[in-house]
Amino acid sequence: GQQLNQSPQSMFIQEGEDVSMNCTSSSIFNTWLWYKQDPGEGPVLLIALYKAGELTSNGRLTAQFGITRKDSFLNISASIPSDVGIYFCAGTYNTDKLIFGTGTRLQVFP
Amino acid sequence: DAGVTQSPTHLIKTRGQHVTLRCSPISGHKSVSWYQQVLGQGPQFIFQYYEKEERGRGNFPDRFSARQFPNYSSELNVNALLLGDSALYLCASSRWDGTEAFFGQGTRLTVV
Repeated sequence: GQQLNQSPQSMFIQEGEDVSMNCTSSSIFNTWLWYKQDPGEGPVLLIALYKAGELTSNGRLTAQFGITRKDSFLNISASIPSDVGIYFCAGTYNTDKLIFGTGTRLQVFP
Repeated sequence: DAGVTQSPTHLIKTRGQHVTLRCSPISGHKSVSWYQQVLGQGPQFIFQYYEKEERGRGNFPDRFSARQFPNYSSELNVNALLLGDSALYLCASSRWDGTEAFFGQGTRLTVV
């Protein structure tokens, strides 16, 4: 099935460091969403973006809707151990389905 | 408020059997979508229902079917199970337009 390209595939960082990840699509979207998923659980919605160029924050998380409408970025500042998990981007154009990225696995070491 | 609830949480079935998975959306949400997530991949869209009507269907065989009830809960049915159907099945609800989808904890289906 169709998946968006996410990078990096995995990250191993030290507690307190900042994290950046991105997601690219070959087609345009009018909504971008970022989710975090823990093992054996469903994805949890972190941030929703609805407008090209939009920059939205949720605590230590900041996400941006790319100007081309084909990409999105997620930054996590001052990482903590509970940030560990898999981060997925998801895009939609006509709202009937979400297309997910391949995921970025984040490991945080103390 | 309760989130999206799915049942059962785990299920083991034999090849060729049939399975029914259930989902209750967040109160006030009228749209329910189903996704399949195999290990190591992102979720793949299967169906979306809104006001009991199918609004979208992903690239899945006709063995997969779903429906939405008047109380907006939903069932996903899979017939003639294959080993490749083993996955985490996720249900997501949203208010009306399919965006800002909130997911349940999923049903882990193992086909042996």
